[in-house]
Amino acid sequence: QSVLTQPPSVSGAPGQSVTISCTGSSSNIGAGYDVHWYQQLPGTAPRVVISRNNNRPSGVPDRFSGSKAGTSASLVITGLQAEDEADYYCQSHDSSLYGAVFGGGTKLTVL
Amino acid sequence: QVQLQESGPGLVKPSQTLSLTCTISGASINSGGYYWSWIRQFPGKGLEWMGYTYYSGTTHYHPALKSRMSISEDASKNQFSLKLHSVTAADTAVYYCAMQMDTSLAIDYWGQGTLVTVSS
Repeated sequence: QSVLTQPPSVSGAPGQSVTISCTGSSSNIGAGYDVHWYQQLPGTAPRVVISRNNNRPSGVPDRFSGSKAGTSASLVITGLQAEDEADYYCQSHDSSLYGAVFGGGTKLTVL
Repeated sequence: QVQLQESGPGLVKPSQTLSLTCTISGASINSGGYYWSWIRQFPGKGLEWMGYTYYSGTTHYHPALKSRMSISEDASKNQFSLKLHSVTAADTAVYYCAMQMDTSLAIDYWGQGTLVTVSS
């Protein structure tokens, strides 16, 4: 059971927008630690698409955005494209573990 | 550009020790300021941080694994290694080595991952 909670799946048609939520607790997101989002394509390692709540690394399309409030965070993908179909994970730091905690992952299906 | 590469056996028998090594290129494990981690991904796809080494050998482990794991560094080979003792089928996973600049920052660099199956 993952420390951070994500919906197992979301879907949307090409061109539409989807939102993936991530809920934590007072020892991680609620403690003020940043949330990072990863995209994982089949057979590959996760790669950062949003860091520090709302920052896009170089090379990530501006269709990806993030936000954080309280004990939760969200990843929004607008203008869905077929290439966005992947698993998405949120991650934060936890003061109890003094290490990284992850969400269980959300499978995005582009219809 | 930092690159990480895991190596080690893909099959381990129950009760034995899982041993993996991560070879680093593009950065020095001796340079300090980086956290070198092991993260695993179970077949059901959940990710679990296992532990890290930093500042030339200081380590920190996930409490649930602390009693049966260790991470060590070999600066001469620019590598760090994982040992996980007394493995069971529940330890079957893809094991990643990874690097981040600080524990609160994103995990920017990941190895390609290596599947380790625990089975007799």
